[in-house]
Formats: sequence, C-alpha cells, structure tokens
Amino acid sequence: AQSVSQHNHHVILSEAASLELGCNYSYGGTVNLFWYVQYPGQHLQLLLKYFSGDPLVKGIKGFEAEFIKSKFSFNLRKPSVQWSDTAEYFCAVTPMDSNYQLIWGAGTKLIIKP
Amino acid sequence: DVKVTQSSRYLVKRTGEKVFLECVQDMDHENMFWYRQDPGLGLRLIYFSYDVKMKEKGDIPEGYSVSREKKERFSLILESASTNQTSMYLCASRPVYNEQFFGPGTRLTVL
Repeated sequence: AQSVSQHNHHVILSEAASLELGCNYSYGGTVNLFWYVQYPGQHLQLLLKYFSGDPLVKGIKGFEAEFIKSKFSFNLRKPSVQWSDTAEYFCAVTPMDSNYQLIWGAGTKLIIKP
Repeated sequence: DVKVTQSSRYLVKRTGEKVFLECVQDMDHENMFWYRQDPGLGLRLIYFSYDVKMKEKGDIPEGYSVSREKKERFSLILESASTNQTSMYLCASRPVYNEQFFGPGTRLTVL
C-alpha cells in the first residue's frame, strides 16, 4: 500500500536553529507533493507544493523543500526558525494515477523555544 | 481567496444521535473531501466526492455517510454517533489535480 512517512513526530528547537523535517513516500510513479502547516487553533494551510520542474521549491514564510526522486523524499527546510513557526507540519502525496486522493503523513509537531 | 466553511467549530452529541456536519466552499471546486484528524494518526480520509451526487469511500468510511446534492455543499452524516467517533473533522475542497483547501474543522465530542 502507498504510504508517507514523517520521521519525527515531535521536534523541539530553539529560535534561529535550522530545521529539516523528513518526508518519504512509497510509490514508484509520478507524484505531486505537498507540505501543509497547521498553526495552533488554525486550519490547515498549504506551505508549498511540487508538481514538476525545479526540484527545489520555495514556499511561504521562508520554507523550502527539495524533491529527491531517487530517494522518494521531499524534506522540508528552513534555515532559521522563529517562535511563530510552532505548528504541526504534514507531508502529503498524490500519486498521479490516483485521481483524487492525498496520502498523508502522520504529522510532525514542531515546538520553537523562544 | 478560497473559502471553505464548516457549520460548527464545536459540537457535543450523545451516543446514538444522528449527526450532520456541513461543509460549503465558494470556489466552484469539483472535488470535496471529509477527513478526521486524530493525534499521531494524521488525516484519514472518510469519504470524497469528485462531482455532484458522486461519492467514493475513503480509508475509514464505516459509520459515516455523505451527501452532495449541490456542487458547493458536502455533508457528512454520522448515522448513530459512537464515542469512538469523537474527533476533529476536516472538510476540504480542490479543483482537480491541485492542492486542497481546508475548512477550520469541527471538533465533535460524543458522550
């Protein structure tokens, strides 16, 4: 079965630290890739997406992600986190033969200490 | 801006009650989705609809049904609520092959 793995369920960092959240998926074909963020008390919103082209994609609030096809990975990065980045982050994948479904990772709760 | 609204932010129901959760989107999106979100489990798809009157089961459809009579509205129905259906319910919509836009969620507690 297709699946998405997020390696860390909880991450705690200090402000200004660098961030990398891992995401791996199990599907051999073409995929669309997404990172969503859910700030405390707010709805899920798109952080960035990859459909095709440059495998390094930039999103909102200084986040970026790199698609490495050979590793089936789409890791999220930010060079210097802020307290306001405290949130839950979800990786999601749409296999292109699925038509409709997003396959979700379990999420990573990120806490930034001021 | 895309707007997805859900009828209630918080809902408390008793075991055995029939529960209706409503979702409305204002961007003429073809696809709509219902998920439940539980800690440590991420989002699990209950049902989705790719067009009016069309529906498909997701990963956990048992105990739920849906209705899509109009393009902008997608309803989730708990026929007989049970305590294990206490959860956060998220509605989403999207144009085909694009990202999903989410509503604020309904936190349902079944006593």
